Amino acid sequence: ETGVTQTPRHLVMGMTNKKSLKCEQHLGHNAMYWYKQSAKKPLELMFVYNFKEQTENNSVPSRFSPECPNSSHLFLHLHTLQPEDSALYLCASSQVTLRFSYNEQFFGPGTRLTVL
Amino acid sequence: AQSVTQLDSHVSVSEGTPVLLRCNYSSSYSPSLFWYVQHPNKGLQLLLKYTSAATLVKGINGFEAEFKKSETSFHLTKPSAHMSDAAEYFCVVSQTGANNLFFGTGTRLTVIP
Repeated sequence: ETGVTQTPRHLVMGMTNKKSLKCEQHLGHNAMYWYKQSAKKPLELMFVYNFKEQTENNSVPSRFSPECPNSSHLFLHLHTLQPEDSALYLCASSQVTLRFSYNEQFFGPGTRLTVL
Repeated sequence: AQSVTQLDSHVSVSEGTPVLLRCNYSSSYSPSLFWYVQHPNKGLQLLLKYTSAATLVKGINGFEAEFKKSETSFHLTKPSAHMSDAAEYFCVVSQTGANNLFFGTGTRLTVIP
């Protein structure tokens, strides 16, 4: 596998279900991101992890819970979602140094989530 | 504060004709600018980036963009459209040295045979 992979590619869940999205990067990067892409709206940054530490949470509801066990893996745990949470969820990674951020991000193919 | 405005939500061109996708940015600091492309059911792929080196940036698949500070613009061009160029294009700005990206709302490019 190369680049950034995401599983599953498609997910349908009820509002009472609990599910998790997985992201893995094979680029040796040390920063990972979750984005939400909804129709007719700009990409929304949800969470940022630098060196496995969460550095940003853009007012995301608590029904979304991220986890970053190491610099290569990122999870998004989902529970009691709402239909308006249906969207494409994209994972990305980049290389960050203490002196300079190479802020080009590499994206995975996304998980298409449908909440019924 | 940083933001991006993509002036056209949809652009339609004939195959073999030039492509122009317009982008204006706002940034309080020295910006980094990117164009990403997204094909249907795919993730975003980097086309090109500007990070304060040459103002004319060449990217993949024959695309290029010119950074014009006086106009706060970073328009994407290609001399001759190909059917495979049909996709959604996103202009993105970031503060150089930071790792937060700010995306435009996207421009859907349609290529007519």
